[in-house]
Amino acid sequence: DAGITQSPRHKVTETGTPVTLRCHQTENHRYMYWYRQDPGHGLRLIHYSYGVKDTDKGEVSDGYSVSRSKTEDFLLTLESATSSQTSVYFCAIRGTGGTEAFFGQGTRLTVV
Amino acid sequence: QQQVKQSPQSLIVQKGGISIINCAYENTAFDYFPWYQQFPGKGPALLIAIRPDVSEKKEGRFTISFNKSAKQFSLHIMDSQPGDSATYFCAASFGNEKLTFGTGTRLTIIP
Repeated sequence: DAGITQSPRHKVTETGTPVTLRCHQTENHRYMYWYRQDPGHGLRLIHYSYGVKDTDKGEVSDGYSVSRSKTEDFLLTLESATSSQTSVYFCAIRGTGGTEAFFGQGTRLTVV
Repeated sequence: QQQVKQSPQSLIVQKGGISIINCAYENTAFDYFPWYQQFPGKGPALLIAIRPDVSEKKEGRFTISFNKSAKQFSLHIMDSQPGDSATYFCAASFGNEKLTFGTGTRLTIIP
């Protein structure tokens, strides 16, 4: 398995609370991504990073923020969780050359 | 705006048969077209990928067919096995940019 770890793996939180998900890689890959997976929608990009402190929005970025202060860590924050953010979140990493992306095991987040 | 459209949403194939999943894309700048396989509770994993300079790529029982003029590509699974039962995603990207995924196909292989 590619060296990519997501934490936590499962989380239940209340509406209105902030939540941070962590993605950690040991591959020194430049590109890191956060996707959410929902039935009927596939994998949708939330935010991505192309280097330390370099991030950009994806197609479903509203309500989410990210930070990347080190190459190995990419954090996804839900500022004020809502029920519509209940989903499975996947982190992915990708090296230069536009090739394979490796995915983490996912974080199942439930907002009640 | 969905840049990669995938069909069918679900597919049931008998063991030994051929499974075919189709994708269409809009952005002609895309230059990398992978297929990912996902088992329940796991993250997606790369199955096979193709670039637009070839029309077909085969790896074992898995083949990608690519039609640049039609902006379509498909995954063929020959001699489908119960262990192939999974969700399959097509995707596309250009350069080092982000991967855009299709909505997925849940494949079930029945004995």
